[in-house]
Formats: sequence, C-alpha cells, structure tokens
Amino acid sequence: GNSVTQMEGPVTLSEEAFLTINCTYTATGYPSLFWYVQYPGEGLQLLLKATKADDKGSNKGFEATYRKETTSFHLEKGSVQVSDSAVYFCALRDNYGQNFVFGPGTRLSVLP
Amino acid sequence: DAGITQSPRHKVTETGTPVTLRCHQTENHRYMYWYRQDPGHGLRLIHYSYGVKDTDKGEVSDGYSVSRSKTEDFLLTLESATSSQTSVYFCAISEGGQRTGANVLTFGAGSRLTVL
Repeated sequence: GNSVTQMEGPVTLSEEAFLTINCTYTATGYPSLFWYVQYPGEGLQLLLKATKADDKGSNKGFEATYRKETTSFHLEKGSVQVSDSAVYFCALRDNYGQNFVFGPGTRLSVLP
Repeated sequence: DAGITQSPRHKVTETGTPVTLRCHQTENHRYMYWYRQDPGHGLRLIHYSYGVKDTDKGEVSDGYSVSRSKTEDFLLTLESATSSQTSVYFCAISEGGQRTGANVLTFGAGSRLTVL
C-alpha cells in the first residue's frame, strides 16, 4: 500500500536558520505530493503541492521538489521565523482515486 | 475554514454512550472525509464519502459509522464510545475532478473528543 515517511521530530531551530524536513514515499504510479501545516489549535492547511516529477511547489518561502528517482519531497526554507513554529505533514494522493495518505508529522519549534 | 464547520468543537462523554460529530460544508464538494489525529500516528482515515449515500471505510473504521444524506453534511457516529476513541477528529473535503486545484484536501478546525 501507499505510505509516507517523515523525519522524526521535534526539530528546534534558531530564527533565520535553514530548514529541511525530509519526506519519502512509497506508491504505485505517479502520486501527487503535498505539504500541510498545522498551527497550534487549528486544522491542517495546504502549504504547497506538486503533481508530477520535477515539479517544484512553493509558498511563503517554503519549497519542495518532486523527485521520482529518490521518491522524495523534502521541505526546505532558507530562513525560518518564529511564526513558522507548527507541525508539518507530508502527504500523497494516488492518481487512481481520492484517498490521501499522511506522514506522522514533524513538529518544528523556532526560537527567537 | 473555507466553508467547513465541525460541531461540536469540544465534547466530553462517558464510556458506552453514543456520540455524533457533524461536518457541514458550503462548497458543494463531492468528497468528504473523517480523520482522527493522535500523537505518534499523525492523521488516520476513518471513513470517507464520494457522494450522497456513498461511503467507504478507511484504515481505522472499527467502532465508527458514517452517514451522508445530503451533499453538505457528513456525520460520524461512535455507537458506544470507548476511551481509545479519545482523539481530535478532523473533517476534510475535496472537490475531485480534473480542474486544477480540485484534488487537494481542505480541513475543518477539528473536534476534540474526550471519553472518560
């Protein structure tokens, strides 16, 4: 079956540090890939997405590139802010249906 | 929350009692989902719906039932709540289809359920 693996958290960084959160997936065919973010006490929000190999999704300074050869979709940001503190979820949707599979989430804390 | 309302937002109940959580959408999206979120497990799919009266099980469906009698409403019922069902429950919707951006999930704010 389809699955998503994320790096274990929590991740603690100082403000303006570089962020990478690793995500790898297992799926048949060509899934669509997503990063969702969850701020404290809220539901998940779509951060960015990519629908085919070599696509780069970007939003709010975050980027992720769909790498089919390594089955990865790592999230990066060049300079994190305190306001980026949240839980980040990598997810996929297979192209045969409407089911989404989520990773376990990575908690990010950014210190001033 | 993009036209998704979950109710109640918080509920405390006792073991063995029935509980119903409601998800209401104003987006006229075809697909609706119920997930539960637990520490260490991320989000797990309970049930989903692909149309009125069309539902299917997810990976953790035992102890839960759902109904969708109208496009806008998707109900999750715990027939006899247990402490293992203490969790945060999220409803999500997806338009489906080929339109760009149609195949993303939009989430509600969540319903926190505590079973004593």
